Amino acid sequence: GAGVSQSPSNKVTEKGKDVELRCDPISGHTALYWYRQSLGQGLEFLIYFQGNSAPDKSGLPSDRFSAERTGGSVSTLTIQRTQQEDSAVYLCASSSRGQSMNTEAFFGQGTRLTVV
Amino acid sequence: AQSVAQPEDQVNVAEGNPLTVKCTYSVSGNPYLFWYVQYPNRGLQFLLKYITGDNLVKGSYGFEAEFNKSQTSFHLKKPSALVSDSALYFCAVRDPFGNEKLTFGTGTRLTIIP
Repeated sequence: GAGVSQSPSNKVTEKGKDVELRCDPISGHTALYWYRQSLGQGLEFLIYFQGNSAPDKSGLPSDRFSAERTGGSVSTLTIQRTQQEDSAVYLCASSSRGQSMNTEAFFGQGTRLTVV
Repeated sequence: AQSVAQPEDQVNVAEGNPLTVKCTYSVSGNPYLFWYVQYPNRGLQFLLKYITGDNLVKGSYGFEAEFNKSQTSFHLKKPSALVSDSALYFCAVRDPFGNEKLTFGTGTRLTIIP
C-alpha cells in the first residue's frame, strides 16, 4: 500500500484478555517501530526492528508485551493479560535504512486500545 | 546513547507573531534531525528534516528549522503563526551510521491565540 496500515483501528477488550495489533509497513522499508501514546501525550518507545538485526526491545514495559516481524514486513504487537493501564493509542512507523536521504519515518493512524 | 530534549511542554503564541519551538539533541555522530506534527485526533505527520547541506531547512505549512551544530539544536520556527498551527510538535534524531534508531523528544504543545 501507499502508507503504513494498522489494524484494527479501535479495539475494546476485557481486562485479562490477550490482544494482537497488526502493522503493515511501507513496502521496502527495513525499519519498523512501535510506540505508545496516552491521551495525546508523548510517544513512548516500545520496540524497533531493523532488517535482520536483533530487535531493540528496550522499551517494552513488561513481559506481557511482545512483538514479531515476519519476513521483514508485517509486524504484530501482542499484549497478554491486558490491564487497564495498557489503554492507549499504539502507533507503528516504518522507514528506509538510516543512510538513505529519504529516511523520515511514516506513521500509521494507530490502534486505539481500550481495556475495560 | 542518543537523546532529544524539548524543554517546553507548552508554548503559547499570539496569532501573527513569530513562533519558535525548541529542540536540542545528543548523538555521537552526525545527526539526521526531524520535526513531526500531530493535530488533534490525527496521526503524526512529517514536517521537515535536516540530513546534510544548508543549515536552514524549509518544510510544510511554512515551517523552517535551523540546524546549529555548535549548540546541538534544531529549533522549529515560523515567521507568522496561524491558529491552525495549534498542535503537538515532536522533534526526533537519528544516527544514520550508528544504531539508526529514531529517538523522539517528549513533545511541545503549541497553542496559537487568536
